Amino acid sequence: GAGVSQSPSNKVTEKGKDVELRCDPISGHTALYWYRQSLGQGLEFLIYFQGNSAPDKSGLPSDRFSAERTGGSVSTLTIQRTQQEDSAVYLCASSLGAGRPDTQYFGPGTRLTVL
Amino acid sequence: AQKVTQAQTEISVVEKEDVTLDCVYETRDTTYYLFWYKQPPSGELVFLIRRNSFDEQNEISGRYSWNFQKSTSSFNFTITASQVVDSAVYFCALRRPRQQGGSEKLVFGKGTKLTVNP
Repeated sequence: GAGVSQSPSNKVTEKGKDVELRCDPISGHTALYWYRQSLGQGLEFLIYFQGNSAPDKSGLPSDRFSAERTGGSVSTLTIQRTQQEDSAVYLCASSLGAGRPDTQYFGPGTRLTVL
Repeated sequence: AQKVTQAQTEISVVEKEDVTLDCVYETRDTTYYLFWYKQPPSGELVFLIRRNSFDEQNEISGRYSWNFQKSTSSFNFTITASQVVDSAVYFCALRRPRQQGGSEKLVFGKGTKLTVNP
């Protein structure tokens, strides 16, 4: 079946601009995660959504970062007033969710470059 | 706090050699989950294995095998008769059980870059 999809695959933006990154999880997966992969910091957790529960935002690095998940499916990660240190690959993952054996499956990522 | 250490930053081997990637973890939980993921040059993280802390049986899948030892908090990964296609960055990760609260985020090691030369 279809895996996790993300768009765009690459995004180049200028410092100070806002960007939106999209994630489409595997059908039937109720849990969705965003991670960031950068050279200096490795793979870092950003935010987690599970069904209708309040998201775990504990990994968001600043209030410039936000995410939403509409209708329990597609998620959008928004970065406002981008900075050069935001340059990284943003990975989305999904899993079956609460109460079931859980493995996270990752999308191909969005490579963000802030000039 | 949870932590995963992959001490080997880069490993280079010649095809057909066996290679072991080390993973050491830290957690105060008695129940937890361990994972290995492969990230080939294309960039996508590919799931390889999940191991529950209460199951210490080692696992073999083709040329891949995993050695889980709770006594040393290690979850090592061995590739037998390595091939050029095994070249990738391999990540070990740890997750708390749902019942311990918080999200089900994965805590990743820094990864080991494996290069298999022909």
